[in-house]
Amino acid sequence: EVQLVQSGAEVKKPGESLKISCKGSGYSFTTYWIGWVRQMPGKGLEWMGIIYPGDSDTRYSPSFQGQVTISADKSISTAYLQWSSLKDTAMYYCVRLTSAAGTRWFDPWGQGTLVTVSS
Amino acid sequence: DIQMTQSPSSLSASVGDRVTITCRASQSISNDLNWYQHKPGKAPKLLIYAASSLQSGVPSRFSGSGSGTDFTLTISSLQPEDFATYYCQQSYNTRVYTFGQGTKLEIK
Repeated sequence: EVQLVQSGAEVKKPGESLKISCKGSGYSFTTYWIGWVRQMPGKGLEWMGIIYPGDSDTRYSPSFQGQVTISADKSISTAYLQWSSLKDTAMYYCVRLTSAAGTRWFDPWGQGTLVTVSS
Repeated sequence: DIQMTQSPSSLSASVGDRVTITCRASQSISNDLNWYQHKPGKAPKLLIYAASSLQSGVPSRFSGSGSGTDFTLTISSLQPEDFATYYCQQSYNTRVYTFGQGTKLEIK
């Protein structure tokens, strides 16, 4: 079974750093792009960026460029999302990009990691 | 960047109703359009990919159509478990995978 399992919920103070993880299993981790999606409380889904673990090619949404860093360690089939200075509370999902017949979609999704930022 | 606009933003319907949600892209995206269902406390779930292809395991009451800039998601006969928020997403621009703002489907 193809699965993405994310690290647990975090509670941090504004300005603190954080790195959350997403471990893939049941497929060849290095041959599929892994993306990250944010959902702030009461809001919709926002695409943040994506990484190809095979060569670490990384692309960011302009809205998140410079705000977060996406990385991957292919030796342990894990992708990461990190902040040097946290601001907002949100749920973060990792997703696998599946490609076929000339198009692409996100499936599966990780279970989500809730990051609470509060002083 | 490609903008995705869904309508309506919210919708009240009854069990058994036929429901249609619309998604419009700011430029042509061919058939690079996906639909997801999101329930509170759960991860979003892929329903439809490539505009009209039903994901394995998804009930046949869900269907998608459209190409270019205009797309629809139809639920032929609403079931209690279908009350959720639905999102469209374009995968034409592979540098920015934009979501629509979501349509919240509520029980009437």
